[in-house]
Amino acid sequence: DTEVTQTPKHLVMGMTNKKSLKCEQHMGHRAMYWYKQKAKKPPELMFVYSYEKLSINESVPSRFSPECPNSSLLNLHLHALQPEDSALYLCASSLLPTSAYEQYFGPGTRLTVT
Amino acid sequence: GDSVTQMEGPVTLSEEAFLTINCTYTATGYPSLFWYVQYPGEGLQLLLKATKADDKGSNKGFEATYRKETTSFHLEKGSVQVSDSAVYFCAFISSGGSYIPTFGRGTSLIVHP
Repeated sequence: DTEVTQTPKHLVMGMTNKKSLKCEQHMGHRAMYWYKQKAKKPPELMFVYSYEKLSINESVPSRFSPECPNSSLLNLHLHALQPEDSALYLCASSLLPTSAYEQYFGPGTRLTVT
Repeated sequence: GDSVTQMEGPVTLSEEAFLTINCTYTATGYPSLFWYVQYPGEGLQLLLKATKADDKGSNKGFEATYRKETTSFHLEKGSVQVSDSAVYFCAFISSGGSYIPTFGRGTSLIVHP
């Protein structure tokens, strides 16, 4: 089983709202990632969690706040977003945070900020 | 720096045509190479991979061979179907440094009946 699940599938939020995206994997992977993808572009890395600790933050604005409550779960908390934050948010995981292991992606959450 | 160059799309083919999507890379060390596919409205799916020179990755009729001498990893399929219409991303992970993949721009494939 190489499944990464994400909820919700679609989300529409106003600029003053607070919402959260959820990602889950039960493959025993110890590295989890958040990416942002704009239309017709490759995914852009936002955050990496390695053994449940934040290891990479690609200078993402503080209105995005990641959380890794346990080894299977990854959240992305959203607050005071801007319309330009509308995008597909992808979660991914890999067995270990090393170059030997490929990433497996979830189906994404399509976020629209109004 | 590290980079992936993919042919610009869209690539438009008729069903049962032969497909080639070119990919070349610039990387330090000995990278692992990947092709991901993204169907409309979905996330990325790992299509195939190769981890050392001359390895051939294959899956669902798609193939790609790791060519170290030309730093290439071209994707091929002998007979495409309408259901293959998607965006294809070439990517690599360098062996000696970051474990974060470097992605190409993506190539859109449109297959007509």
